[in-house]
Amino acid sequence: DTEVTQTPKHLVMGMTNKKSLKCEQHMGHRAMYWYKQKAKKPPELMFVYSYEKLSINESVPSRFSPECPNSSLLNLHLHALQPEDSALYLCASSQGGGGYRLYGYTFGSGTRLTVV
Amino acid sequence: DQQVKQNSPSLSVQEGRISILNCDYTNSMFDYFLWYKKYPAEGPTFLISISSIKDKNEDGRFTVFLNKSAKHLSLHIVPSQPGDSAVYFCAASVGSSNTGKLIFGQGTTLQVKP
Repeated sequence: DTEVTQTPKHLVMGMTNKKSLKCEQHMGHRAMYWYKQKAKKPPELMFVYSYEKLSINESVPSRFSPECPNSSLLNLHLHALQPEDSALYLCASSQGGGGYRLYGYTFGSGTRLTVV
Repeated sequence: DQQVKQNSPSLSVQEGRISILNCDYTNSMFDYFLWYKKYPAEGPTFLISISSIKDKNEDGRFTVFLNKSAKHLSLHIVPSQPGDSAVYFCAASVGSSNTGKLIFGQGTTLQVKP
């Protein structure tokens, strides 16, 4: 299995809703990432988990809450989002250590989030 | 302040010819550079990387060149094929941490015409 699976593919939520994005990989990767990408912009890092511990939080607002229940799963819990949070949310994984620099990340297809 | 820049939003090339995608960066501390390809409705796919201590890396039809003095890298695709039509992102790795972030450029849309 060489894939990163993200669900759902599309999500529309109201500003008072609570929802979660899910990401799963079975490649034995020990680093997992959340990126956010807006139209015509590059992907921007939100969070990095290394060996199931949060290692980087790029000053993301608390309405985004990541969770890594085990080495294969990564969740992003969403609460009280704003319309400007509408974007493509990409999950990625990579080998532990410095492997991401040589071999890159493996990205999922993303969740297209619309906040209304 | 964008540390990785792809100044050409789009590029059109005839099938069989060379495609050259360019990327500039500002941070001399970047230690690895990577190229990704993205098709619509899919996540980016890793293509090739290069260490900052090298000036060239080749993998099949794809070659990446790094000019550190100019803070410039380029991806050459030879020969170009219609299936290469996609958005190409360059990315740079910061620092020496084992799991750190990649900083991406804005992307260049390549169209290869049959």
